[in-house]
Amino acid sequence: EAGVAQSPRYKIIEKRQSVAFWCNPISGHATLYWYQQILGQGPKLLIQFQNNGVVDDSQLPKDRFSAERLKGVDSTLKIQPAKLEDSAVYLCASSSRFSGLAGQNEQFFGPGTRLTVL
Amino acid sequence: RKEVEQDPGPFNVPEGATVAFNCTYSNSASQSFFWYRQDCRKEPKLLMSVYSSGNEDGRFTAQLNRASQYISLLIRDSKLSDSATYLCVVNFQRDYKLSFGAGTTVTVRA
Repeated sequence: EAGVAQSPRYKIIEKRQSVAFWCNPISGHATLYWYQQILGQGPKLLIQFQNNGVVDDSQLPKDRFSAERLKGVDSTLKIQPAKLEDSAVYLCASSSRFSGLAGQNEQFFGPGTRLTVL
Repeated sequence: RKEVEQDPGPFNVPEGATVAFNCTYSNSASQSFFWYRQDCRKEPKLLMSVYSSGNEDGRFTAQLNRASQYISLLIRDSKLSDSATYLCVVNFQRDYKLSFGAGTTVTVRA
């Protein structure tokens, strides 16, 4: 089974520039997550989609971050304009209601996009 | 107070040793608990779920103490390949939203 795909793997931009990340979840997974992982910290959920609807975006800085999952499959996360503190790894994960252990849905993570803002 | 707190370590242990560490969570209504493993510059991967009765998976043992609101992970007969950051993960709601700790780093030396 193919895993979660993300691109690009690395991105270096200057502050105030824009950047976009792409994620393709595991086929058939209805739930998609975007996390931000700052060095030395655990992943922090930015937004959660169920099919193409947003379930939770309470921690998404909506003044500069946006995300969409128009057809309920691929997703893009955009930052505009970027700040120095946005330097982090952006992880995409997906899960399925029909997988996991004892009804607890395992989240499968992609390799992440490492963003450096100069 | 953070939702999930972990001792960052690092725990430096020789091969064959036993290492154990805890994680505390703040929300008493938490429902599901997990340990994820994250290798350096890699993505997190599920190591094991943590059940109320405690559970083992080979050399790994996880325990849950709801009264004191902590979970633990014990690694027996450590291998070099066990070197990683172990993330404590808690689910507070039924919508599969996970809260991650900052991780405990374990380094196993030859």
